[in-house]
Amino acid sequence: EADIYQTPRYLVIGTGKKITLECSQTMGHDKMYWYQQDPGMELHLIHYSYGVNSTEKGDLSSESTVSRIRTEHFPLTLESARPSHTSQYLCASSESRGEGKLFFGSGTQLSVL
Amino acid sequence: EDKVVQSPLSLVVHEGDTVTLNCSYEVTNFRSLLWYKQEKKAPTFLFMLTSSGIEKKSGRLSSILDKKELFSILNITATQTGDSAVYLCAVEAINDYKLSFGAGTTVTVRA
Repeated sequence: EADIYQTPRYLVIGTGKKITLECSQTMGHDKMYWYQQDPGMELHLIHYSYGVNSTEKGDLSSESTVSRIRTEHFPLTLESARPSHTSQYLCASSESRGEGKLFFGSGTQLSVL
Repeated sequence: EDKVVQSPLSLVVHEGDTVTLNCSYEVTNFRSLLWYKQEKKAPTFLFMLTSSGIEKKSGRLSSILDKKELFSILNITATQTGDSAVYLCAVEAINDYKLSFGAGTTVTVRA
């Protein structure tokens, strides 16, 4: 059973607010990822990390930022939320062997009014 | 750019029916193809396929990969209402540990 946790599950905020979506995993995985998913659409990779102090932007341009100070923790921050940021955000991790098998968190559904 | 196309986009079946889902892909330096099941929350891993022609099976679910024609199918036999979900296909390239996902197939199984 995967042990990767995201909080909050749901978040409704006003435009201009700063928010941080939390993601933690207890599996000791080096690789962690943030995906964005809109209804009926593909998961789009927005950030990833291959280890502590390593972060990269994904294929989909995003105004968010991430940090990886500890192996188990990979938070995503939006400095100033806008309605266009409304989406589901999924965090995932994978083992160092890199076989592509991702373990996903339950997601955060973000609504920006 | 890697591309993953799933079909159909959605389908509705009755319990006991068999379902076949399709996934075609274009990826440079293919490494693996993965299937996930997504209910209302986290996608959960079903299969990873790396070799052509070898069927992976788990209970009523099975999947096979054709690397020559660049596609995979996922079969679900004797469907149950609990099989209702979005089924996601993803591909991974060699030396690139990120997955490229398709838009998914929404399967609805009616009692």
